[in-house]
Amino acid sequence: GDSVTQMEGPVTLSEEAFLTINCTYTATGYPSLFWYVQYPGEGLQLLLKATKADDKGSNKGFEATYRKETTSFHLEKGSVQVSDSAVYFCALSDRSNYQLIWGAGTKLIIKP
Amino acid sequence: EAGVAQSPRYKIIEKRQSVAFWCNPISGHATLYWYQQILGQGPKLLIQFQNNGVVDDSQLPKDRFSAERLKGVDSTLKIQPAKLEDSAVYLCASRTQTNTEAFFGQGTRLTVV
Repeated sequence: GDSVTQMEGPVTLSEEAFLTINCTYTATGYPSLFWYVQYPGEGLQLLLKATKADDKGSNKGFEATYRKETTSFHLEKGSVQVSDSAVYFCALSDRSNYQLIWGAGTKLIIKP
Repeated sequence: EAGVAQSPRYKIIEKRQSVAFWCNPISGHATLYWYQQILGQGPKLLIQFQNNGVVDDSQLPKDRFSAERLKGVDSTLKIQPAKLEDSAVYLCASRTQTNTEAFFGQGTRLTVV
């Protein structure tokens, strides 16, 4: 079945560092891909999405490109802030039933 | 636009007691999901509704969990009787029929002691 694998955390960086969180997927069709963020004590918020190959999703300085050839959707940000500290989830949506398949989440800690 | 509303935010119960969670999705969203998120893990789908019908409840522990969405709007999720391993955050999400993006509520944090 479909699955999502993302890098284990926690990832600890200093403020203004470059961020990459790896995400790869397995799917039989052509899913939509998402990054959700969960701040402490909060629900899940959509950070960005891409619906087809080579699409780039972007929001709040974060970017991710749908790479069909490598089945990847890595999250990047050029300069992280302390306020980016959260748990980041990669997910895919099966186009047949629109169910979300989730990665395990990556905790990001940004130190001042 | 109002978001997905869930209540209560927190609940502490003893094992073998019952508990109910409520969700009000975004207006016009036909699809509603209940997820269970155990600490340190990704969300696990419990049940998916399309209007007032169940689309998928294959991962719902039906011996103790039940959910309904009688009028195709609000939904309730019940656990009876609760076990220690049910301690988790229960998330409700909704989306339109044609949009792949799901919107999440803040969740209900359940602690079973």
